[in-house]
Amino acid sequence: DAGITQSPRYKITETGRQVTLMCHQTWSHSYMFWYRQDLGHGLRLIYYSAAADITDKGEVPDGYVVSRSKTENFPLTLESATRSQTSVYFCASAGQGNTEAFFGQGTRLTVV
Amino acid sequence: QKEVEQDPGPLSVPEGAIVSLNCTYSNSAFQYFMWYRQYSRKGPELLMYTYSSGNKEDGRFTAQVDKSSKYISLFIRDSQPSDSATYLCAMAMGSNYQLIWGAGTKLIIKP
Repeated sequence: DAGITQSPRYKITETGRQVTLMCHQTWSHSYMFWYRQDLGHGLRLIYYSAAADITDKGEVPDGYVVSRSKTENFPLTLESATRSQTSVYFCASAGQGNTEAFFGQGTRLTVV
Repeated sequence: QKEVEQDPGPLSVPEGAIVSLNCTYSNSAFQYFMWYRQYSRKGPELLMYTYSSGNKEDGRFTAQVDKSSKYISLFIRDSQPSDSATYLCAMAMGSNYQLIWGAGTKLIIKP
């Protein structure tokens, strides 16, 4: 199916565990983004990528790692999950010009 | 102070009313202004996009940008219960710059 998909949709993990959230887009968009959304904070940028093998930090990168070996995939890894990383995570992509970002359905992550 | 300020609401209005949603910003370098709509448990989707100042109309929706006042608005005419959602404003300095987001306003349209 065309579009941007995230997996899993829901995840419960324990403090200290490593967890990876997956993001896949079929448009060959240059730009990909990871956001977290929390009540009262809106969308906060974690990391973004302008192209394969090019990534950069956003507003709240601490505790997260990303990679982009292929244009269509942009996984987000929490190296050692903490309760403060409980959130809804959205992946997005945008073409050159970056004027419209398309969002995935989100991953609801709970760290216990 | 945040770069983009948006009242979180909730804003509750009766069906058929005209809705006005607003954002203020502090960075005069912003040139691209967007409104996204987010339904519960879904990702945001682009609703309106405006470059620089002026108005843009699309059906029941009108986006307005006043760069002199650093103020953007989204108007919804003949509001419907299906318009109930959270509306987020976003803006950028250039076409390849990161989007800066408002916190979102929750809108409730009562039948």
